[in-house]
Amino acid sequence: ETGVTQSPTHLIKTRGQQVTLRCSSQSGHNTVSWYQQALGQGPQFIFQYYREEENGRGNFPPRFSGLQFPNYSSELNVNALELDDSALYLCASSLVAWEQFFGPGTRLTVL
Amino acid sequence: AQKITQTQPGMFVQEKEAVTLDCTYDTSDQSYGLFWYKQPSSGEMIFLIYQGSYDEQNATEGRYSLNFQKARKSANLVISASQLGDSAMYFCAMREGHNDYKLSFGAGTTVTVRA
Repeated sequence: ETGVTQSPTHLIKTRGQQVTLRCSSQSGHNTVSWYQQALGQGPQFIFQYYREEENGRGNFPPRFSGLQFPNYSSELNVNALELDDSALYLCASSLVAWEQFFGPGTRLTVL
Repeated sequence: AQKITQTQPGMFVQEKEAVTLDCTYDTSDQSYGLFWYKQPSSGEMIFLIYQGSYDEQNATEGRYSLNFQKARKSANLVISASQLGDSAMYFCAMREGHNDYKLSFGAGTTVTVRA
């Protein structure tokens, strides 16, 4: 059974650009959640996908969007990047609410 | 209001000793769950232990145990027999509602294990 994987590991972008981050969920897990973790802080919930539908959203602007595919993998897209978007982006996959497993994260730097 | 409060920014513990990390939570839901995660400097969030609000017994997983005091709304993590590899950031998190997967995290506690 493979764990949660994320790509890329690191990414550097400039302000105003767009970025796509990818997450492959653990086998059989139909729910994927995305989190943003700024340096020195706890993760903040961005949104969650269940069976290809957005199923909950945190306090993030619409330029944060996502997709979930039929194989339950997921993408996080961020448009019009701002300096404050620099963070570690984590995805978590789950089949039941009491088991949530995180990937290694993508570290995004916006210059 | 903060849903999860971790009041200890950093802690030092001697190798082979036990350490308790504090976590208090705030929710009006009857059904909720509490998680503890370990985050080494590499960044990956590693699941340690889970306690459901209806679980009567305190959760244990190897050297990790959760001291769940429902009336006080606290869910402290106890790490026994600390090892150098336990040095990391530790986060307490909560999900609320019967089938809600969203996690609210605390600010974390940095644990440094000394030889």
